[in-house]
Amino acid sequence: LAKITQPISMDSYEGQEVNITCSHNNIATNDYITWYQQFPSQGPRFIIQGYKTKVTNEVASLFIPADRKSSTLSLPRVSLSDTAVYYCLVVTMDSNYQLIWGAGTKLIIKP
Amino acid sequence: DVKVTQSSRYLVKRTGEKVFLECVQDMDHENMFWYRQDPGLGLRLIYFSYDVKMKEKGDIPEGYSVSREKKERFSLILESASTNQTSMYLCASSGLAGANEQFFGPGTRLTVL
Repeated sequence: LAKITQPISMDSYEGQEVNITCSHNNIATNDYITWYQQFPSQGPRFIIQGYKTKVTNEVASLFIPADRKSSTLSLPRVSLSDTAVYYCLVVTMDSNYQLIWGAGTKLIIKP
Repeated sequence: DVKVTQSSRYLVKRTGEKVFLECVQDMDHENMFWYRQDPGLGLRLIYFSYDVKMKEKGDIPEGYSVSREKKERFSLILESASTNQTSMYLCASSGLAGANEQFFGPGTRLTVL
């Protein structure tokens, strides 16, 4: 069963690239890694999902090394509106379907 | 535009009351989920359902039950509310494949006095 660790908080400045790393040492072969973003008074919103190597979409990239024991969410050129809580989620796709959420990283972007 | 709605944004109940939280999705999704969210603990799964009338316990099912009589609706029931069930409750839905994107509702802030 994957246990997830991510930093409690981070801060950065507008225009910078921000990398948030999630540790999931016991990840299983069929598990997927997903990241969500949550603003105050809203439900989380899907950002990106991956299984291995690198995935990129219009808002973020996800880097997963070969051993898959960690993953890094990369947000390019952040703005003040990227201030939010970011959650790492490992989804187990074995016969015993499980969702394992990290406790979230509060990202604060400063002007 | 995909939508998950929850019956109330804020709810105040008394200890011992039976509480119903309703969630409706309009995306014809098979999977639906109930979470609670507490500061410092992130999201914890209470129950999920992968089909009508089907349910599976999550990480913290004690003190809760669920009902899914129709595909679009998933209800969370607190049989006898207690103060330690004061929390933010989030409903979500997702399509067939388990790793698929979950769409969340806005949440219900429940206070049990």
